[in-house]
Amino acid sequence: AQSVAQPEDQVNVAEGNPLTVKCTYSVSGNPYLFWYVQYPNRGLQFLLKYITGDNLVKGSYGFEAEFNKSQTSFHLKKPSALVSDSALYFCAVRFSGGYNKLIFGAGTRLAVHP
Amino acid sequence: GAVVSQHPSRVICKSGTSVKIECRSLDFQATTMFWYRQFPKQSLMLMATSNEGSKATYEQGVEKDKFLINHASLTLSTLTVTSAHPEDSSFYICSARPSGQQETQYFGPGTRLLVL
Repeated sequence: AQSVAQPEDQVNVAEGNPLTVKCTYSVSGNPYLFWYVQYPNRGLQFLLKYITGDNLVKGSYGFEAEFNKSQTSFHLKKPSALVSDSALYFCAVRFSGGYNKLIFGAGTRLAVHP
Repeated sequence: GAVVSQHPSRVICKSGTSVKIECRSLDFQATTMFWYRQFPKQSLMLMATSNEGSKATYEQGVEKDKFLINHASLTLSTLTVTSAHPEDSSFYICSARPSGQQETQYFGPGTRLLVL
């Protein structure tokens, strides 16, 4: 069964410090992995995706993620956090069945403190 | 580009009434749209996959007679919550996949439904 896990409910970071939001996955075949961000009472905004190629993927707003096949992880990172990065972050994996639907992790709330 | 809208953004209704939520892709055509439900502080749960011109595909445990989905055109899908009850109160989010693009989904801003 395909699934994605986000082990942390919340991550707290001081502004200017690097941040990491963790994600591990379980898929059959090659994984298609995504990160989305959600601000309060809003839909999801796409940050980045890994399909194939370079393990380090760069995305929107200075975020990047590293695909690690041996650890089945796809952690989201940013070198220097901003207070405006505070939001809910979702990791997702594409289900290889019909219609290529996405399966989302439980979400991690990122709180960046001034 | 790639904007998805939802209408209404917020709706309050009485128990037993039906509510229709629209999902539109404003600047692209979407053969496939998805409907999700999100409870407070929880993840998105896929309810159904909506395909233009054909019947929707519902996820296990989702009542198709309660959550009616119609995808009448390449830019519009509707979700109707029939005979709504308080437990249907939730945040409903749609996404649209541009025709020909398998890896991309654009999400709408969501609709907050409160059933009294």
